[in-house]
Amino acid sequence: QLQLQESGPGLVKPSETLSLTCTVSGGSISSSGYYWGWIRQPPGKGLEWIASIYYSGSTYYNPSLKSRVSISGDPSKNQFSLKMSSVTAADTAVYYCARHWVGAMDNWGQGTRVTVSS
Amino acid sequence: EIVLTQSPGTLSSSPGERATLSCRASQSVISTFLAWYQQKPGQAPRLLIYGASTRAAGIPDRFSGSGSGTDFTLTISSLEPEDFAVYYCQQHGSSSWTFGRGTKVEI
Repeated sequence: QLQLQESGPGLVKPSETLSLTCTVSGGSISSSGYYWGWIRQPPGKGLEWIASIYYSGSTYYNPSLKSRVSISGDPSKNQFSLKMSSVTAADTAVYYCARHWVGAMDNWGQGTRVTVSS
Repeated sequence: EIVLTQSPGTLSSSPGERATLSCRASQSVISTFLAWYQQKPGQAPRLLIYGASTRAAGIPDRFSGSGSGTDFTLTISSLEPEDFAVYYCQQHGSSSWTFGRGTKVEI
């Protein structure tokens, strides 16, 4: 059974870089045809796709966040990671990692809460 | 970027009633790339429908999806107590993915 688990600091200072890792078990991030992505949800608000990495290593970014975001994968550890620079309070959210294909996101992590505050 | 508009924002209903949720796209969406999710408080979203009308594994048949082009619908034929939640539609296009703002189904 595929499982995804987010990890990273729960508190980040404004202007610093947020770094999150998603560890995948029960499946491989090198599995053909799948994307591995990050989605966030600010408190009381809806879902926002941030970025995804294809099994081949191709990367895709939300245009509104592209200048601050980087996604990468480490097949040897079966992990993929997100870095978001110059964070502000508006980046406070629950961050989810998920497996998806072009059409839908079928497996999600439980989410990790990140607060941006000094 | 394609914008998805969900309506209503909140749907007040009762167990046993039929619920119809709408998702309208600002441009035509390929049906294969339209999905619906359910999210309960404190939980991650759960995939309900993909390809506009195909139920994901383990999803009860009271959930159905339909539509094409710019208009898509999620129907819950008879609401169960556990169905009261927030529902999101999502699409893929132009190398990105976008979500609607959600419809809250409440008692």
